[in-house]
Amino acid sequence: NAGVTQTPKFQVLKTGQSMTLQCAQDMNHEYMSWYRQDPGMGLRLIHYSVGAGITDQGEVPNGYNVSRSTTEDFPLRLLSAAPSQTSVYFCASSYNSDGYTFGSGTRLTVV
Amino acid sequence: DAKTTQPPSMDCAEGRAANLPCNHSTISGNEYVYWYRQIHSQGPQYIIHGLKNNETNEMASLIITEDRKSSTLILPHATLRDTAVYYCIVAIYYNQGGKLIFGQGTELSVKP
Repeated sequence: NAGVTQTPKFQVLKTGQSMTLQCAQDMNHEYMSWYRQDPGMGLRLIHYSVGAGITDQGEVPNGYNVSRSTTEDFPLRLLSAAPSQTSVYFCASSYNSDGYTFGSGTRLTVV
Repeated sequence: DAKTTQPPSMDCAEGRAANLPCNHSTISGNEYVYWYRQIHSQGPQYIIHGLKNNETNEMASLIITEDRKSSTLILPHATLRDTAVYYCIVAIYYNQGGKLIFGQGTELSVKP
């Protein structure tokens, strides 16, 4: 198993650009989540999903969209990038009450 | 969601047991206690979780008080590689689909 795969690993965007952060898992996990982590801070939940076709907002959903058309993929879309969205983004997946497996992160800089 | 309180930092000597406390005084009956750690800037790593019984796995032990208002993560023989930020989280897993809310965690420094 590849686990949780996030692409790209690094990205620089200009203010106002849009992009999609990709997240894929090959463990047949139902639950998937997106977090952001600002420098020196803890993780904050952006959006999460309990299965294909079902998503919900987390703590900081503004400026981000998600969809879950398949069990394997959970892309995160930035609609119009802002400097405040400069952060490290982590995707995670889990099965039932087992612990989440996290990806290695996408480091995003918005200039 | 119940909130947790952890000390911001702790030190531990290499080879000694590291005991990381967590208070969760408003925890509900169906909320689990989860522990994760984050080494440097890597993605968080799951350690252990429990509902009301003590739990042990190859990484650590979790001791939950009888009233469930606090818990302790025990790393029995800490090594330098255990230096990390440790997060204690409570979550109603099934109803909220594993909605984990991270706090600030405890920065554990294991020293030679």
